[in-house]
Amino acid sequence: ETTLTQSPAFMSATPGDKVNISCKASQDIDHDLNWYQRKPGERAIFIIQEGTTLVPGIPPRFSGSGYGTDFTLTINNIESEDAAYYFCLQHDNFPYTFGQGTKLEIK
Amino acid sequence: QLQLQESGSGLVKPSQTLSLTCAVSGDYINSGYSWSWIRQSPGKGLDWIGYIIRSGNTYYNPSLKSRVTISVDRSKKQFSLKVTSVTAADTAVYYCAGGIDYGFDYWGQGILVTVSS
Repeated sequence: ETTLTQSPAFMSATPGDKVNISCKASQDIDHDLNWYQRKPGERAIFIIQEGTTLVPGIPPRFSGSGYGTDFTLTINNIESEDAAYYFCLQHDNFPYTFGQGTKLEIK
Repeated sequence: QLQLQESGSGLVKPSQTLSLTCAVSGDYINSGYSWSWIRQSPGKGLDWIGYIIRSGNTYYNPSLKSRVTISVDRSKKQFSLKVTSVTAADTAVYYCAGGIDYGFDYWGQGILVTVSS
């Protein structure tokens, strides 16, 4: 089973900041990693697919990088509406697994 | 755009069967999508339960495999989850999701299921 270690668990940012969230896999998962955003009481939204591809309709201030075992979600020029829970998912091998999640607070 | 909504009993007694359904909007149930169930226990991360792909084949997390069944009812435009012999460890928010390849493109809002006598 592939363990995804996501960090940090919690972070606080100011509007305009650049934020990086890390997701490290315990084994090589190629580019088979997705990123999601979930706001309280709302549905999770698919934001990055295959490690680096922005899902259509997602603002370009979101970007993903990485391959193999190390992945990063970057949010540039953060806005107040970006306050949410972010998590990663690997779909390279069974069972599919998730990172523990990151709660992003905007000051 | 595909919309999903979970429904079912929010309270299940220990040793009984947890049953949830996920309503699928429009005609997406016939669009060759894969349909997934995921859960998040209080204070913990997300766990993949399993999914059913376009061929009808199912894949389950080995940690739950012996107790889980996922099925699709196209006439009712929904898919379902059953977990047998539940314990307090099955208390969680359960999410349904669907997508073209791996079944995670679109998510429901989630439903809290508590296992308690």
